[in-house]
Amino acid sequence: QKEVEQNSGPLSVPEGAIASLNCTYSDRGSQSFFWYRQYSGKSPELIMSIYSNGDKEDGRFTAQLNKASQYVSLLIRDSQPSDSATYLCAVTLMNSGGYQKVTFGTGTKLQVIP
Amino acid sequence: DTAVSQTPKYLVTQMGNDKSIKCEQNLGHDTMYWYKQDSKKFLKIMFSYNNKELIINETVPNRFSPKSPDKAHLNLHINSLELGDSAVYFCASSQDQAGGAYNEQFFGPGTRLTVL
Repeated sequence: QKEVEQNSGPLSVPEGAIASLNCTYSDRGSQSFFWYRQYSGKSPELIMSIYSNGDKEDGRFTAQLNKASQYVSLLIRDSQPSDSATYLCAVTLMNSGGYQKVTFGTGTKLQVIP
Repeated sequence: DTAVSQTPKYLVTQMGNDKSIKCEQNLGHDTMYWYKQDSKKFLKIMFSYNNKELIINETVPNRFSPKSPDKAHLNLHINSLELGDSAVYFCASSQDQAGGAYNEQFFGPGTRLTVL
């Protein structure tokens, strides 16, 4: 089982709709959860972070975390063509040396259709 | 002012050559990382340094040798380059290793390495 799993997509949504991106992780000890956006040919950019169960909202973005189900999601409301990118889920876990190791999922490609 | 910078942006070289990539951050962060992103876009951590100390060393061939002269700089030297080393290499930094927001990472623009 992969440590961080995402559906590779592409996920196609019409402009103005809600895009829902999902991520599951394998280790119950995982502590911090991040969503990065990566445009084609560019570097990943942090858009949301979440550390406790529940929802966290920032503008059009909402991150949701359910540690019991080992599930984290990202909702994008009023999707815009400029949201078309690959969204990477990242999870931290303390390694045997006592350091936080970040593991990325393979990403979900989102296409917002005008 | 660029927060995390890398040089060069593109690197095209022959198999068997040795090359280096340099990274600098001006965010005052304690922790820096090297990632490899392959053609399938999977972003895999290679190394992490915290205050010049190597703290994460994934299963990477020992042809790859990182070096951190100070906490603002992290370089990657690759010996005897192979075709499979072709990828985009990203440098990143975070405030430190304390967890939570301290692990939020800021990425450099990437170095696209092509081995012929």
